[in-house]
Amino acid sequence: AQTVTQSQPEMSVQEAETVTLSCTYDTSESDYYLFWYKQPPSRQMILVIRQEAYKQQNATENRFSVNFQKAAKSFSLKISDSQLGDAAMYFCAYRSARGSQGNLIFGKGTKLSVKP
Amino acid sequence: EAGVAQSPRYKIIEKRQSVAFWCNPISGHATLYWYQQILGQGPKLLIQFQNNGVVDDSQLPKDRFSAERLKGVDSTLKIQPAKLEDSAVYLCASSRLAGVYNEQFFGPGTRLTVL
Repeated sequence: AQTVTQSQPEMSVQEAETVTLSCTYDTSESDYYLFWYKQPPSRQMILVIRQEAYKQQNATENRFSVNFQKAAKSFSLKISDSQLGDAAMYFCAYRSARGSQGNLIFGKGTKLSVKP
Repeated sequence: EAGVAQSPRYKIIEKRQSVAFWCNPISGHATLYWYQQILGQGPKLLIQFQNNGVVDDSQLPKDRFSAERLKGVDSTLKIQPAKLEDSAVYLCASSRLAGVYNEQFFGPGTRLTVL
Protein backbone atom coordinates (compact mmCIF):
# COMPACT_ATOMS: atom_id res chain seq x y z
CA ALA A 1 0.00 0.00 0.00
CA GLN A 2 1.11 3.52 -0.72
CA THR A 3 1.91 5.89 2.13
CA VAL A 4 2.72 9.59 2.35
CA THR A 5 4.73 11.07 5.20
CA GLN A 6 5.07 14.72 6.15
CA SER A 7 7.56 14.97 8.99
CA GLN A 8 7.06 18.65 9.80
CA PRO A 9 3.81 19.21 11.74
CA GLU A 10 4.44 22.96 11.81
CA MET A 11 6.63 25.44 9.98
CA SER A 12 7.08 29.17 10.21
CA VAL A 13 8.43 31.69 7.70
CA GLN A 14 8.96 35.41 7.62
CA GLU A 15 6.98 37.32 5.03
CA ALA A 16 8.90 37.65 1.72
CA GLU A 17 11.26 34.81 2.60
CA THR A 18 11.43 31.26 1.27
CA VAL A 19 10.29 28.09 3.00
CA THR A 20 10.47 24.41 2.03
CA LEU A 21 7.97 21.79 3.14
CA SER A 22 9.06 18.16 3.07
CA CYS A 23 7.22 15.08 1.91
CA THR A 24 8.28 11.49 1.39
CA TYR A 25 6.22 8.66 0.00
CA ASP A 26 6.37 4.94 -0.44
CA THR A 27 5.11 3.05 -3.47
CA SER A 28 6.01 0.11 -5.65
CA GLU A 29 4.40 1.69 -8.68
CA SER A 30 6.34 3.48 -11.38
CA ASP A 31 3.55 5.62 -12.78
CA TYR A 32 1.89 8.04 -10.41
CA TYR A 33 1.18 11.68 -9.68
CA LEU A 34 2.10 13.77 -6.67
CA PHE A 35 0.27 16.84 -5.45
CA TRP A 36 0.49 19.64 -2.95
CA TYR A 37 -2.83 20.94 -1.63
CA LYS A 38 -3.43 24.02 0.49
CA GLN A 39 -6.21 24.02 3.11
CA PRO A 40 -6.91 27.43 4.67
CA PRO A 41 -9.11 27.79 7.78
CA SER A 42 -12.13 27.83 5.48
CA ARG A 43 -11.35 24.11 4.99
CA GLN A 44 -11.60 24.19 1.20
CA MET A 45 -8.73 22.18 -0.28
CA ILE A 46 -7.03 23.98 -3.14
CA LEU A 47 -4.59 22.37 -5.56
CA VAL A 48 -1.25 24.18 -5.47
CA ILE A 49 0.90 22.12 -7.79
CA ARG A 50 1.21 18.65 -9.25
CA GLN A 51 4.01 16.52 -10.61
CA GLU A 52 3.84 13.58 -12.99
CA ALA A 53 6.31 10.90 -11.94
CA TYR A 54 7.46 10.25 -15.50
CA LYS A 55 8.56 13.87 -15.90
CA GLN A 56 12.07 14.64 -14.74
CA GLN A 57 11.52 18.38 -14.83
CA ASN A 58 10.30 19.83 -11.57
CA ALA A 59 6.89 21.52 -11.71
CA THR A 60 6.61 25.26 -11.10
CA GLU A 61 3.58 27.46 -10.54
CA ASN A 62 4.50 31.11 -9.98
CA ARG A 63 6.00 31.28 -6.46
CA PHE A 64 5.55 27.57 -5.87
CA SER A 65 7.97 24.92 -7.06
CA VAL A 66 8.77 21.35 -6.18
CA ASN A 67 11.92 19.30 -5.82
CA PHE A 68 10.99 15.84 -7.03
CA GLN A 69 13.54 13.12 -6.32
CA LYS A 70 12.01 9.92 -7.67
CA ALA A 71 14.74 7.55 -6.53
CA ALA A 72 14.62 8.96 -3.02
CA LYS A 73 10.82 9.11 -3.11
CA SER A 74 10.94 12.70 -1.98
CA PHE A 75 8.66 15.54 -3.04
CA SER A 76 9.26 18.88 -1.33
CA LEU A 77 7.43 22.16 -1.90
CA LYS A 78 9.27 25.45 -2.01
CA ILE A 79 7.36 28.67 -1.49
CA SER A 80 9.27 31.78 -2.54
CA ASP A 81 8.47 35.35 -1.49
CA SER A 82 6.05 34.09 1.16
CA GLN A 83 2.87 36.09 1.61
CA LEU A 84 0.46 36.33 4.54
CA GLY A 85 -2.14 34.56 2.43
CA ASP A 86 0.10 31.51 2.20
CA ALA A 87 -0.63 30.68 5.83
CA ALA A 88 -2.56 27.39 5.82
CA MET A 89 -2.28 23.64 6.20
CA TYR A 90 -0.37 22.05 3.33
CA PHE A 91 -0.98 18.45 2.36
CA CYS A 92 1.16 16.28 0.16
CA ALA A 93 -0.82 13.66 -1.77
CA TYR A 94 -0.19 10.65 -4.01
CA ARG A 95 -2.38 9.17 -6.71
CA SER A 96 -1.77 6.15 -8.87
CA ALA A 97 -1.90 6.78 -12.61
CA ARG A 98 -3.48 3.38 -13.19
CA GLY A 99 -7.17 2.92 -13.67
CA SER A 100 -10.03 5.26 -12.90
CA GLN A 101 -9.99 5.09 -9.14
CA GLY A 102 -9.33 8.54 -7.83
CA ASN A 103 -7.95 7.65 -4.45
CA LEU A 104 -5.77 10.55 -3.34
CA ILE A 105 -3.59 9.40 -0.46
CA PHE A 106 -2.74 12.30 1.80
CA GLY A 107 -0.07 12.94 4.38
CA LYS A 108 -0.94 14.37 7.78
CA GLY A 109 -0.15 17.90 6.72
CA THR A 110 2.15 20.75 7.69
CA LYS A 111 0.78 23.89 9.27
CA LEU A 112 2.53 26.92 7.77
CA SER A 113 2.55 30.23 9.62
CA VAL A 114 3.70 33.44 7.93
CA LYS A 115 5.04 36.19 10.15
CA PRO A 116 4.64 39.82 9.05
CA GLU B 1 -18.42 28.62 -12.49
CA ALA B 2 -19.94 27.71 -9.13
CA GLY B 3 -17.84 25.46 -6.92
CA VAL B 4 -18.75 22.33 -5.02
CA ALA B 5 -21.51 23.05 -2.53
CA GLN B 6 -21.99 21.20 0.74
CA SER B 7 -24.49 21.48 3.55
CA PRO B 8 -24.71 21.78 6.42
CA ARG B 9 -21.38 23.41 7.32
CA TYR B 10 -21.60 22.21 10.91
CA LYS B 11 -23.53 19.47 12.67
CA ILE B 12 -23.55 18.38 16.30
CA ILE B 13 -25.28 15.14 17.27
CA GLU B 14 -25.20 12.61 20.06
CA LYS B 15 -23.83 9.14 19.57
CA ARG B 16 -26.24 6.60 18.11
CA GLN B 17 -28.13 9.35 16.28
CA SER B 18 -28.32 9.56 12.50
CA VAL B 19 -26.99 12.32 10.29
CA ALA B 20 -26.92 13.11 6.57
CA PHE B 21 -24.70 15.36 4.50
CA TRP B 22 -25.47 16.77 1.10
CA CYS B 23 -23.16 17.60 -1.80
CA ASN B 24 -23.80 19.36 -5.10
CA PRO B 25 -20.83 18.98 -7.46
CA ILE B 26 -19.67 21.37 -10.15
CA SER B 27 -22.03 21.26 -13.11
CA GLY B 28 -20.99 18.68 -15.66
CA HIS B 29 -18.65 16.79 -13.35
CA ALA B 30 -19.25 13.08 -13.70
CA THR B 31 -17.08 11.95 -10.80
CA LEU B 32 -17.85 12.64 -7.16
CA TYR B 33 -15.83 11.76 -4.06
CA TRP B 34 -16.51 11.76 -0.35
CA TYR B 35 -13.52 12.09 1.99
CA GLN B 36 -13.32 11.89 5.77
CA GLN B 37 -10.78 14.17 7.47
CA ILE B 38 -10.20 13.43 11.14
CA LEU B 39 -8.57 16.23 13.16
CA GLY B 40 -4.81 16.24 12.68
CA GLN B 41 -4.89 13.97 9.64
CA GLY B 42 -5.19 14.22 5.90
CA PRO B 43 -8.42 13.35 4.11
CA LYS B 44 -9.22 9.69 3.49
CA LEU B 45 -11.40 8.58 0.59
CA LEU B 46 -14.68 6.98 1.65
CA ILE B 47 -16.42 6.51 -1.68
CA GLN B 48 -16.10 7.47 -5.33
CA PHE B 49 -18.99 7.71 -7.79
CA GLN B 50 -18.83 7.80 -11.56
CA ASN B 51 -22.18 9.29 -12.61
CA ASN B 52 -24.56 7.33 -10.34
CA GLY B 53 -22.43 4.19 -10.06
CA VAL B 54 -19.94 3.34 -7.32
CA VAL B 55 -16.32 3.05 -8.47
CA ASP B 56 -14.64 2.55 -5.09
CA ASP B 57 -16.17 2.12 -1.64
CA SER B 58 -13.47 -0.08 -0.15
CA GLN B 59 -12.86 2.25 2.81
CA LEU B 60 -16.51 2.99 3.57
CA PRO B 61 -17.66 1.44 6.90
CA LYS B 62 -20.71 -0.11 5.34
CA ASP B 63 -22.26 -1.21 8.63
CA ARG B 64 -23.03 2.42 9.45
CA PHE B 65 -22.21 4.58 6.43
CA SER B 66 -24.17 4.76 3.21
CA ALA B 67 -24.04 7.05 0.22
CA GLU B 68 -26.03 7.56 -2.90
CA ARG B 69 -25.90 9.70 -5.97
CA LEU B 70 -29.28 9.66 -7.57
CA LYS B 71 -29.49 10.88 -11.18
CA GLY B 72 -25.73 11.29 -11.24
CA VAL B 73 -25.71 14.79 -9.81
CA ASP B 74 -26.25 15.51 -6.08
CA SER B 75 -25.06 13.06 -3.47
CA THR B 76 -25.90 12.33 0.15
CA LEU B 77 -23.72 10.62 2.74
CA LYS B 78 -25.46 9.13 5.76
CA ILE B 79 -24.21 7.81 9.07
CA GLN B 80 -26.51 5.61 11.11
CA PRO B 81 -25.86 5.21 13.99
CA ALA B 82 -23.03 7.66 14.64
CA LYS B 83 -20.10 6.83 16.91
CA LEU B 84 -17.74 9.18 18.73
CA GLU B 85 -14.95 8.32 16.29
CA ASP B 86 -17.03 9.63 13.39
CA SER B 87 -16.28 13.20 14.52
CA ALA B 88 -14.49 14.67 11.51
CA VAL B 89 -14.81 16.98 8.55
CA TYR B 90 -16.55 15.36 5.60
CA LEU B 91 -15.30 16.73 2.31
CA CYS B 92 -16.98 16.33 -1.02
CA ALA B 93 -15.01 16.72 -4.25
CA SER B 94 -15.82 16.45 -7.92
CA SER B 95 -13.92 16.12 -11.18
CA ARG B 96 -14.93 16.20 -14.82
CA LEU B 97 -13.93 12.60 -15.31
CA ALA B 98 -12.29 9.90 -13.21
CA GLY B 99 -8.81 9.83 -14.74
CA VAL B 100 -5.81 11.17 -12.88
CA TYR B 101 -5.50 14.07 -15.35
CA ASN B 102 -8.76 15.49 -14.03
CA GLU B 103 -8.33 17.85 -11.10
CA GLN B 104 -10.47 17.22 -8.06
CA PHE B 105 -12.27 20.33 -6.80
CA PHE B 106 -13.21 20.29 -3.15
CA GLY B 107 -16.14 21.76 -1.29
CA PRO B 108 -15.88 23.54 2.09
CA GLY B 109 -16.77 20.43 4.02
CA THR B 110 -19.16 19.59 6.85
CA ARG B 111 -17.72 19.50 10.35
CA LEU B 112 -19.43 16.76 12.36
CA THR B 113 -19.15 16.58 16.13
CA VAL B 114 -20.49 13.46 17.84
CA LEU B 115 -21.04 13.84 21.60
